Amino acid sequence: GAVVSQHPSRVICKSGTSVKIECRSLDFQATTMFWYRQFPKQSLMLMATSNEGSKATYEQGVEKDKFLINHASLTLSTLTVTSAHPEDSSFYICSARGASGGSYEQYFGPGTRLTVT
Amino acid sequence: DAKTTQPTSMDCAEGRAANLPCNHSTISGNEYVYWYRQIHSQGPQYIIHGLKNNETNEMASLIITEDRKSSTLILPHATLRDTAVYYCIVRGRRAGTASKLTFGTGTRLQVTL
Repeated sequence: GAVVSQHPSRVICKSGTSVKIECRSLDFQATTMFWYRQFPKQSLMLMATSNEGSKATYEQGVEKDKFLINHASLTLSTLTVTSAHPEDSSFYICSARGASGGSYEQYFGPGTRLTVT
Repeated sequence: DAKTTQPTSMDCAEGRAANLPCNHSTISGNEYVYWYRQIHSQGPQYIIHGLKNNETNEMASLIITEDRKSSTLILPHATLRDTAVYYCIVRGRRAGTASKLTFGTGTRLQVTL
């Protein structure tokens, strides 16, 4: 099946700093990418949807100036958490959708665990 | 997209079939039923999807009732590695739209020896 990678897998940053998370579709072109956030013992919550070359569409309650999303190519999207606070500590998961092997489905990355101290 | 209802948790003995139910009584005609699972601290993994016919792949079988208001995911021979949270999601596949996968709380399947 299609492979989506994320980097880094874990990151610790200090409060007030920014951190960038990369999401790549390795063997297919992702026309649409999604970013989710998951707090402990909770389900995945969609943060934003982005199409290549367009501005991201954010879900209600998600601050677009705090969570900057760039989808500059068909294989790469980045999420930058700006001025991070401890409450931003979470598991961030990206997902990519595009045609792969005749299928057009949504595939998920392994996630990035962010800890803000 | 239609809402789904799943049991919070289930247990299954290793080697036995795990049958995970899902209710989606408000599903509309153009919506598919998707199943994903999430093993602890990993991203969700696609399992299977279907519209109205039963589907089978190397991982599982999906049985959808005739009225499409409910479905069952079957893992024919559960192993300890199948312990995960299983999400049943209903989603439209309208061409040209970025229809989203919206996750509910899922079913936590615990496979035991």
